Amino acid sequence: GEDVEQSLFLSVREGDSSVINCTYTDSSSTYLYWYKQEPGAGLQLLTYIFSNMDMKQDQRLTVLLNKKDKHLSLRIADTQTGDSAIYFCAETSPSGYSTLTFGKGTMLLVSP
Amino acid sequence: SQTIHQWPATLVQPVGSPLSLECTVEGTSNPNLYWYRQAAGRGLQLLFYSVGIGQISSEVPQNLSASRPQDRQFILSSKKLLLSDSGFYLCAWSPGQRNTIYFGEGSWLTVV
Repeated sequence: GEDVEQSLFLSVREGDSSVINCTYTDSSSTYLYWYKQEPGAGLQLLTYIFSNMDMKQDQRLTVLLNKKDKHLSLRIADTQTGDSAIYFCAETSPSGYSTLTFGKGTMLLVSP
Repeated sequence: SQTIHQWPATLVQPVGSPLSLECTVEGTSNPNLYWYRQAAGRGLQLLFYSVGIGQISSEVPQNLSASRPQDRQFILSSKKLLLSDSGFYLCAWSPGQRNTIYFGEGSWLTVV
């Protein structure tokens, strides 16, 4: 079955690094995603990684993928208060259509 | 560039009243279209998706329905709202099979 698990809450201080973890179950997922949701807003695509990659870096964001353990992580360097939001991990669903299975989201709180 | 809009942004409706949420996508043709709901607890639940005009797939049986009268228009409806229909509704689109999904701004529905 499809299931994406995330820890629900993470608190860090401004300037520290944040690491948000995610585990997924579908080994056939071709893409894995990170979305950001600010309060009262829709989901914003942050980054994604293709399943044949181990790492992807995009400015302050680093995505690590461990396919053997089905583990995905998002590292935010030099975390800022503006990074406070809910972060969703998602995997492509095995159906023939482009649906995604989302985790329940990790609320990141950055304190000054 | 492609854009997605949904409206209304907020809605307060009495129990038993009808619902119509509308979503349109600009700048692309034949997109896959989706309706998600985000209830308390933050998880995202896929309600409906559509791969073409008049083609609707329902993921969760309930008193909601969806229609796609035009290529880039997706409508979420209900004839009689329940209290449990309250939540944050997100329209989304993707260019095609197994592609990234992009979200609208969301619509807050409160059923009273």
